[in-house]
Amino acid sequence: SQKIEQNSEALNIQEGKTATLTCNYTNYSPAYLQWYRQDPGRGPVFLLLIRENEKEKRKERLKVTFDTTLKQSLFHITASQPADSATYLCALYPSGTYKYIFGTGTRLKVLA
Amino acid sequence: DVKVTQSSRYLVKRTGEKVFLECVQDMDHENMFWYRQDPGLGLRLIYFSYDVKMKEKGDIPEGYSVSREKKERFSLILESASTNQTSMYLCASSFPGSEVQPQHFGDGTRLSIL
Repeated sequence: SQKIEQNSEALNIQEGKTATLTCNYTNYSPAYLQWYRQDPGRGPVFLLLIRENEKEKRKERLKVTFDTTLKQSLFHITASQPADSATYLCALYPSGTYKYIFGTGTRLKVLA
Repeated sequence: DVKVTQSSRYLVKRTGEKVFLECVQDMDHENMFWYRQDPGLGLRLIYFSYDVKMKEKGDIPEGYSVSREKKERFSLILESASTNQTSMYLCASSFPGSEVQPQHFGDGTRLSIL
């Protein structure tokens, strides 16, 4: 069956460290993968998009990798800050479809 | 900046009622989406519209319908509300195109059905 998995347990890290979040998928062939941030009581906000033929994408302190062989994307926040505390969602856009498939999200807490 | 506005942040309704959730976007996006978000299940697509008066069923359309009479407005209708429709409802919009575009979300409507 098709699945997209993010670690449901919260990730706590110390301020200044690099946070790494994981998105694994099975039985999909995503053409694109996106990462969103969601704060409590708010809608998700788009962060980064990576295409299937790209290995890595960066934006300021954010970095996303996409390994279609491992069927995995990693999302890194370097020099993390308490303001980075939020839930982070990955979303696949499978080839030949019109819709996004979202993971359940991982809650990140950056401790001061 | 794109703004997607959902008419209510919180709504309480009774079982059997017909419920309307409204969503308006101000960026002339062709695509609009309705999701529900439940703990442990993530965002699930209810309906999708790629143009005025056009709609496509998502993964969980049962018990819902939609209306898109104007480009900027996409309404979700619960025909006869039931308690299992208590959830957070999120509307989103995006441009179409050969390249996938980010979705822009509203802040959600937390709906409780009593």
